Amino acid sequence: AQTVTQSQPEMSVQEAETVTLSCTYDTSESDYYLFWYKQPPSRQMILVIRQEAYKQQNATENRFSVNFQKAAKSFSLKISDSQLGDAAMYFCAYRTKTSGSRLTFGEGTQLTVNP
Amino acid sequence: SQTIHQWPATLVQPVGSPLSLECTVEGTSNPNLYWYRQAAGRGLQLLFYSVGIGQISSEVPQNLSASRPQDRQFILSSKKLLLSDSGFYLCAWSVDRGYGYTFGSGTRLTVV
Repeated sequence: AQTVTQSQPEMSVQEAETVTLSCTYDTSESDYYLFWYKQPPSRQMILVIRQEAYKQQNATENRFSVNFQKAAKSFSLKISDSQLGDAAMYFCAYRTKTSGSRLTFGEGTQLTVNP
Repeated sequence: SQTIHQWPATLVQPVGSPLSLECTVEGTSNPNLYWYRQAAGRGLQLLFYSVGIGQISSEVPQNLSASRPQDRQFILSSKKLLLSDSGFYLCAWSVDRGYGYTFGSGTRLTVV
């Protein structure tokens, strides 16, 4: 079965500091896409960043960047200059060619930002 | 631009009552549509997905059903709710696997 593991149920960071959220996944396929979603207290799911597995360059979106290690099947999210509004549940997810359009999600990491 | 509407936002229903949650998408055609359920503080569980009108795939056997009567409409239903059906229900759509989902704002269902 395809799985996504987020080993940190909770993380905290000081405002303006940097934090890294971990994610590992398990697939035998080489063609897939990886995603990080943010779910703030409103519970609206928001796409933060995406990575195509065939691209070696790590994706970046403003203060958010990923460290994609394909051989290790690792996809961590780095948040720089953390802001109070970054406090949320973060979900790692991926979809493969054979899974069709279905996303497989991890269990999430609850991020707290301390002022 | 594409938008997704999901309603109601909050629902309190007695055990044994029926359920109907609706989701509609605007600004795109032939989207893939999904229903997810999320327990408090937990991950997302895929319930149903649809790649076209009348095409429904069920991921988890349960007390719920889904229908897609129109291209951009996806409905989640139950004939008789159970306490265990309580949770946060999210509708989502996508058109290409290279992109993630766009989610609706969710429905918080409490069965009492």
